[in-house]
Amino acid sequence: GENVEQHPSTLSVQEGDSAVIKCTYSDSASNYFPWYKQELGKGPQLIIDIRSNVGEKKDQRIAVTLNKTAKHFSLHITETQPEDSAVYFCAASRDNDYKLSFGAGTTVTVRA
Amino acid sequence: DAGVIQSPRHEVTEMGQEVTLRCKPISGHNSLFWYRQTMMRGLELLIYFNNNVPIDDSGMPEDRFSAKMPNASFSTLKIQPSEPRDSAVYFCASSYGLAANTGELFFGEGSRLTVL
Repeated sequence: GENVEQHPSTLSVQEGDSAVIKCTYSDSASNYFPWYKQELGKGPQLIIDIRSNVGEKKDQRIAVTLNKTAKHFSLHITETQPEDSAVYFCAASRDNDYKLSFGAGTTVTVRA
Repeated sequence: DAGVIQSPRHEVTEMGQEVTLRCKPISGHNSLFWYRQTMMRGLELLIYFNNNVPIDDSGMPEDRFSAKMPNASFSTLKIQPSEPRDSAVYFCASSYGLAANTGELFFGEGSRLTVL
């Protein structure tokens, strides 16, 4: 099955700086890569996703890049704000597969 | 829509007791998932229902765990008897579509279970 590894496990950044989280996956057939944000006491929420026919996708201050050859994808958060503090999960799945394989999560802390 | 609704939000019970967690998915969604979240194992898929039918229960830890979906608007996850190692946050999630890439997965706020 798919194995998704996520790094780092914790990340502390100064407000206004950028944050980068990296994930690698093992199944070359995976082609859907969502990112979830989990705030304290809440369930994970989808913030952005990318499909294998796209190398990069942006949505305001967040962006995701995908390198299918190397089997890794990354989340970039620019101009970080206190409300960006949360746990972020990457995930991967194949086309037409209901199962999402999640990374272990990255706890991001934005220091004021 | 109110989103995915789970109850109870917190449950503290003693080892050996029966625990029932409840979930109301988003109206119109035809896929429902139960996940378990722990520090050690992260987010694990326990069971997946499509159109109220269990499709994949390979993640259910053992016979002490059971899940039902009697109709499109309600599902339960039952643990009997409960053990301390079952302590975790249990999430219910729903989506529309058959595949992860065809419909956004919406999570409830979770049920935090503590088994003493």
